[in-house]
Amino acid sequence: NAGVTQTPKFRVLKTGQSMTLLCAQDMNHEYMYWYRQDPGMGLRLIHYSVGEGTTAKGEVPDGYNVSRLKKQNFLLGLESAAPSQTSVYFCASSTGQGAYEQYFGPGTRLTVT
Amino acid sequence: QQQVKQSPQSLIVQKGGISIINCAYENTAFDYFPWYQQFPGKGPALLIAIRPDVSEKKEGRFTISFNKSAKQFSLHIMDSQPGDSATYFCAASPQAVNKFYFGSGTKLNVKP
Repeated sequence: NAGVTQTPKFRVLKTGQSMTLLCAQDMNHEYMYWYRQDPGMGLRLIHYSVGEGTTAKGEVPDGYNVSRLKKQNFLLGLESAAPSQTSVYFCASSTGQGAYEQYFGPGTRLTVT
Repeated sequence: QQQVKQSPQSLIVQKGGISIINCAYENTAFDYFPWYQQFPGKGPALLIAIRPDVSEKKEGRFTISFNKSAKQFSLHIMDSQPGDSATYFCAASPQAVNKFYFGSGTKLNVKP
């Protein structure tokens, strides 16, 4: 099992460009999450999904969109990147309601210039 | 407003010493309190977790102490080792929501 994988590992964008981050899990987990990690801020939840075809906003959703068309994939989109979105992005998954352990991917380091 | 407040921001401990990291919360709906360990360049991994019906949970050298009335919980690492050097995050989740709020992290450095 690969667990949770993220693509790409690194990316540099110019302000205004768009991109999509892909998260994939092979554990048949229902719940998936996107976080951003910034120095001194810990991990902040951007969006999450409790099942295929569903998404919900987290703490810091502005400037991001997500889609969960397949159970194993969770996509995070930036339509018009801003320097404030420079961060390390982590995807996570968990079994579902009542099972709290989250499994994290290795992260994507995004720089917006 | 951060829902879970963590301290200290960084911690230096000698090998064999005790590392203590503290977290506090306000939301009484939180009912699951995990600690995650993160090594440089890696994603966080679950270390240990506790629910509010117990005051302490121990797994090997790692112990969570939980004070429900004070709305505080802490991680104790006994006999700290250089391999424990990492960033530690506390977190909390409300009942049956699986939506996590993380602390700001503590960078632990265990000196040989």
